Amino acid sequence: DTEVTQTPKHLVMGMTNKKSLKCEQHMGHRAMYWYKQKAKKPPELMFVYSYEKLSINESVPSRFSPECPNSSLLNLHLHALQPEDSALYLCASSTRTSGVNEQFFGPGTRLTVL
Amino acid sequence: QKEVEQDPGPLSVPEGAIVSLNCTYSNSAFQYFMWYRQYSRKGPELLMYTYSSGNKEDGRFTAQVDKSSKYISLFIRDSQPSDSATYLCASHTGGFKTIFGAGTRLFVKA
Repeated sequence: DTEVTQTPKHLVMGMTNKKSLKCEQHMGHRAMYWYKQKAKKPPELMFVYSYEKLSINESVPSRFSPECPNSSLLNLHLHALQPEDSALYLCASSTRTSGVNEQFFGPGTRLTVL
Repeated sequence: QKEVEQDPGPLSVPEGAIVSLNCTYSNSAFQYFMWYRQYSRKGPELLMYTYSSGNKEDGRFTAQVDKSSKYISLFIRDSQPSDSATYLCASHTGGFKTIFGAGTRLFVKA
């Protein structure tokens, strides 16, 4: 299984809502990533987990809260988001931290904040 | 200055054409240079990578890196409509943090 799955595919939420994005992989990868991608822009790294520990936080606002419950699952908890947070949220995983570090991406969750 | 610069296009070519996609980068510490392909409504997938300078060929695709000029290229021979996608160049120093270019949208017309 070389697939990274993400749920939901689409999410619309108000600025006062709390929601969560979910990502799952069963490739045995020990590094997992959250990216944010705006239209016609490159993916921007938000968080990296390595062996279920937060390794990188790219100064992301606290209204985004990541969680890695186990080696296969990655969540992104959302609270009090702003309309400018509307974007495609991509999850990725990789097997190694050295070398090419090929990342396998999920299809993304398209988030709209009203 | 962005660490990886890429012309977003779009680039439209007829089927069978040779396509040249290019990026420049500014970080001399970059060691790995990748090309990801992203189809509409999908996540990116790794197409090819090169370590340091040089060429790498895989079927119709050739990746080139010139570290002296900090230039990254991807050539697609005999382009097909199925090659229509956004192509993102990317680099990193060997670690978690990959820096992506803005992506070039390619359309191959049948």
